[in-house]
Amino acid sequence: TQLLEQSPQFLSIQEGENLTVYCNSSSVFSSLQWYRQEPGEGPVLLVTVVTGGEVKKLKRLTFQFGDARKDSSLHITAAQPGDTGLYLCAGRGGSNYKLTFGKGTLLTVNP
Amino acid sequence: DSGVTQTPKHLITATGQRVTLRCSPRSGDLSVYWYQQSLDQGLQFLIQYYNGEERAKGNILERFSAQQFPDLHSELNLSSLELGDSALYFCASSVIRGDPEAFFGQGTRLTVV
Repeated sequence: TQLLEQSPQFLSIQEGENLTVYCNSSSVFSSLQWYRQEPGEGPVLLVTVVTGGEVKKLKRLTFQFGDARKDSSLHITAAQPGDTGLYLCAGRGGSNYKLTFGKGTLLTVNP
Repeated sequence: DSGVTQTPKHLITATGQRVTLRCSPRSGDLSVYWYQQSLDQGLQFLIQYYNGEERAKGNILERFSAQQFPDLHSELNLSSLELGDSALYFCASSVIRGDPEAFFGQGTRLTVV
């Protein structure tokens, strides 16, 4: 069974601060995705990383895939209240395209 | 709007009952996934269908079953409901090639009383 552990589970910061959340596994994934979920909504894809060591930037968000494709991080620069939400990482392995999700990091950015 | 439609949005039912959750995938997506989300377990993969056939099975209880119809919509049937089945149930759809993005519906919030 492939498991993804996310840390921290909860994070409450002030507007303008930087933060990093982590997604770790003992399994190798063919790709890893980050989703953001807001209350009452389904998760929405932010990024997909495929290559070990890959770094992708999406405005103030920087995503990194570990060299061994077992872990990933999401760094947010100068967080804003609109970044508040549940951040989920999801790994894809095998041929059935099943996504395995971590339990998420609940981020609150206070104005 | 993800293009994935789930009905109903909310459902309250008693223990022992049976309910059916419905999902219409995005136009053109052949693959449908069902997930259960609870506070303590997070998003748990239940089952995947591709073009009408079961493709992968996750932590789905024997009391639960699903199917995908020729028009590609899917239904998740939950029977002999227990209090612990109260959760958000999400349907997602995707294409099957490459590294597809999974598009999620807004979910069905099931409350078993």
